[in-house]
Amino acid sequence: AIQMTQSPSSLSASVGDRVTITCRASQGIRNDLGWYQQKPGKAPKLLIYAASSLQSGVPSRFSGSGSGTDFTLTISSLQPEDFATYYCLQDYNYPRTFGQGTRLEIK
Amino acid sequence: QLQLQESGSGLVKPSQTLSLTCAVSGGSISSGGYSWSWIRQPPGKGLEWIGYIYHSGSTYYNPSLKSRVTISVDRSKNQFSLKLSSVTAADTAVYYCASYYVGLGFDIWGQGTMVTVSS
Repeated sequence: AIQMTQSPSSLSASVGDRVTITCRASQGIRNDLGWYQQKPGKAPKLLIYAASSLQSGVPSRFSGSGSGTDFTLTISSLQPEDFATYYCLQDYNYPRTFGQGTRLEIK
Repeated sequence: QLQLQESGSGLVKPSQTLSLTCAVSGGSISSGGYSWSWIRQPPGKGLEWIGYIYHSGSTYYNPSLKSRVTISVDRSKNQFSLKLSSVTAADTAVYYCASYYVGLGFDIWGQGTMVTVSS
């Protein structure tokens, strides 16, 4: 199975900050990567698909980039509602595998 | 708008079989381009993909769980189901059902259901 490694595991930031989360795949996955946001007690929500495409309804402050093995999720200006846990997911092959998550906390 | 809703037993005894159902509304489980997955999340931990099924009945299971997992579909009821046998405390988790659209990802999720394995 492809291993997905996110960094950092946790991050403290302030409203208005620019934040970047990275995800590395154990082998090349083209651009077959998604980013998901999960708030406590809620199901994950799709933010980005195909590494850089913004899901309908997701604010434009979210962006994704990367290809092959290295990917990033960037939030250009943090809003209070963005404090959550973020997961990457490879959908290059099966079994689908998630990163371990990055918890974004308020500084 | 497609919606998913999990149901099933919230408490299962060790060595028994966990059974959950995901009801699909607002669309057909036979819709082209979709597969239907189960994903779980132990308390305080990350997400683990369990497996998927197509409306045709074809399945793929995570090798880590393959020997214990069965996913089935009931097109007449527009729902799909998960059975996980020989459960232990390690299977305690929130179980989500989710739709996966080709080229997009897991776009629709159920709200999740907590399953506790305990005697």
